[in-house]
Amino acid sequence: NAGVTQTPKFQVLKTGQSMTLQCAQDMNHNSMYWYRQDPGMGLRLIYYSASEGTTDKGEVPNGYNVSRLNKREFSLRLESAAPSQTSVYFCASSEATAGFGSYEQYFGPGTRLTVT
Amino acid sequence: TQLLEQSPQFLSIQEGENLTVYCNSSSVFSSLQWYRQEPGEGPVLLVTVVTGGEVKKLKRLTFQFGDARKDSSLHITAAQPGDTGLYLCAGPLYNTDKLIFGTGTRLQVFP
Repeated sequence: NAGVTQTPKFQVLKTGQSMTLQCAQDMNHNSMYWYRQDPGMGLRLIYYSASEGTTDKGEVPNGYNVSRLNKREFSLRLESAAPSQTSVYFCASSEATAGFGSYEQYFGPGTRLTVT
Repeated sequence: TQLLEQSPQFLSIQEGENLTVYCNSSSVFSSLQWYRQEPGEGPVLLVTVVTGGEVKKLKRLTFQFGDARKDSSLHITAAQPGDTGLYLCAGPLYNTDKLIFGTGTRLQVFP
């Protein structure tokens, strides 16, 4: 059981370049999430998906797009990277639905992105 | 707006000392969770507390949920270097499956 996997682990981009961060989970969870983590700011939600085919904005969605390809996979795309997007990105999944479940989230190992 | 504030932000202690980390809000939460994140890894759930006044123990870690379900604390007894990491509290946004996270407490335990 791999849990939540993310690729790549490290990436360096130049301003204006694009890239897609990949995430997959093998726990049959409905909900998936993308967060960014910056020093002193905790985890901030970028986008989430409550089920296959649905996505919704989180706290900091500007500059990002997402795609819930199927129940297992949830990708995050940076169309034109900016230095302000330098961060550590985490994907997570959960079996919870609104108002039910324990809300426990399982996290991937993260992608460390630097935009120069 | 639901917010979770953690204190202290940083804690450096010697092995064997006791410590308490706090997670406070002005909002009521149906439950609160504590995660630990080690360097280079994603957060891992330690415990979920769901009942006001609830106390849960996990070896040397004691978690408490406030009676009014607005705050929680994590107490570590006889800290060890293996306890080093970032401790995050989190709670569900009302009627959603989204969590909001506190800003974290970074703990360093020196041998």
